[in-house]
Amino acid sequence: GDSVTQMEGPVTLSEEAFLTINCTYTATGYPSLFWYVQYPGEGLQLLLKATKADDKGSNKGFEATYRKETTSFHLEKGSVQVSDSAVYFCALSPNRGGGFKTIFGAGTRLFVKA
Amino acid sequence: NAGVTQTPKFRVLKTGQSMTLLCAQDMNHEYMYWYRQDPGMGLRLIHYSVGEGTTAKGEVPDGYNVSRLKKQNFLLGLESAAPSQTSVYFCASSPGLAGGTNTGELFFGEGSRLTVL
Repeated sequence: GDSVTQMEGPVTLSEEAFLTINCTYTATGYPSLFWYVQYPGEGLQLLLKATKADDKGSNKGFEATYRKETTSFHLEKGSVQVSDSAVYFCALSPNRGGGFKTIFGAGTRLFVKA
Repeated sequence: NAGVTQTPKFRVLKTGQSMTLLCAQDMNHEYMYWYRQDPGMGLRLIHYSVGEGTTAKGEVPDGYNVSRLKKQNFLLGLESAAPSQTSVYFCASSPGLAGGTNTGELFFGEGSRLTVL
């Protein structure tokens, strides 16, 4: 079945460091891919998404590119801030499959030190 | 906009007690979901609904029941709570597939932390 694997955390970085959180997936067909972010004490919110191969999703300085050849959707940010400290979830949703088919990774906790 | 609202936000139960979590959304979404979040396991789908009056089982439905009597509300019930149900519960919603507005994005509430002693 479909699955999402993301790097285990926690990841601890100093402010202004470069961030990469790896995400790979297995899926039949052509799913949409998502990164959600969960700030402390809050629910998940969409950070960015990509719906087809080679698409790049971007938001708040974060980027991820849908790589079908490597089945990956790695999250990157060039310079992290303390306010980026959160848990990041990679997820996939089969196209036109409905949200109930969304598969989430286990989440990666990011700590950014001042 | 309120979006997705969950009540209560915190609850402590004793084993065997029952309770209901309420989820309300004001976005006129067709689909609604209940997830549980446990450390290292991401989010797991408990039950979902694709419209008023309909419900279906997700990945981990045992020990839970749900009802969707109104389009905007989705209730999650625990009839006899067990310590294994200690978790953070998230409700989410999304547009239905008809109408072309479904992008796969889910809209989440802030969560309900449940502890079963």
